[in-house]
Amino acid sequence: KQEVTQIPAALSVPEGENLVLNCSFTDSAIYNLQWFRQDPGKGLTSLLLIQSSQREQTSGRLNASLDKSSGRSTLYIAASQPGDSATYLCAVYTTGANSKLTFGKGITLSVRP
Amino acid sequence: KAGVTQTPRYLIKTRGQQVTLSCSPISGHRSVSWYQQTPGQGLQFLFEYFSETQRNKGNFPGRFSGRQFSNSRSEMNVSTLELGDSALYLCASSLASSRGRTTGELFFGEGSRLTVL
Repeated sequence: KQEVTQIPAALSVPEGENLVLNCSFTDSAIYNLQWFRQDPGKGLTSLLLIQSSQREQTSGRLNASLDKSSGRSTLYIAASQPGDSATYLCAVYTTGANSKLTFGKGITLSVRP
Repeated sequence: KAGVTQTPRYLIKTRGQQVTLSCSPISGHRSVSWYQQTPGQGLQFLFEYFSETQRNKGNFPGRFSGRQFSNSRSEMNVSTLELGDSALYLCASSLASSRGRTTGELFFGEGSRLTVL
């Protein structure tokens, strides 16, 4: 059974800091890994999708890496801004007959002005 | 291009009632999946549909059901509501592979927030 862990549950940083959010998963048999952002009371916004054959993806100030063999992914946010304050979730899509998307609990990020 | 649309956005029901939630996927997306989000359990997979067929189902009781129509729109139904069904219900759509697997990027709606009293 796939388990996805995101630690810590909450993080507070000053504006301008570069930061790394971690995600770990127990089963490396995945199609892809996706990072999402969720603002309070809202749906999820897709940030980056990494296919299992890829090592990293970049979009603007965001960079996500994937190490399937160790079951880890990181989301790097450069030069953080108060507008980056949100909950960040990672999700892995497992292979197999019962393939499905499994989410971590998320990391709530607060960027202080 | 319109995003994923979920209706209603908010609803209040009492225990024992039933509820139907609707999801219209992004045009051209044939795969729709549903998730329940609660503070305690986080996001949990409910079911996934492709071409009107349920491809996979999460670990939820039979009170939770869904369907997909020929235009890819989907509905989920919860019967005999319980207090613990209070949650944000999220729908996501995706371009699916030829075998119907949702292996591409998922796009979520804003959700339907259900409160059971």
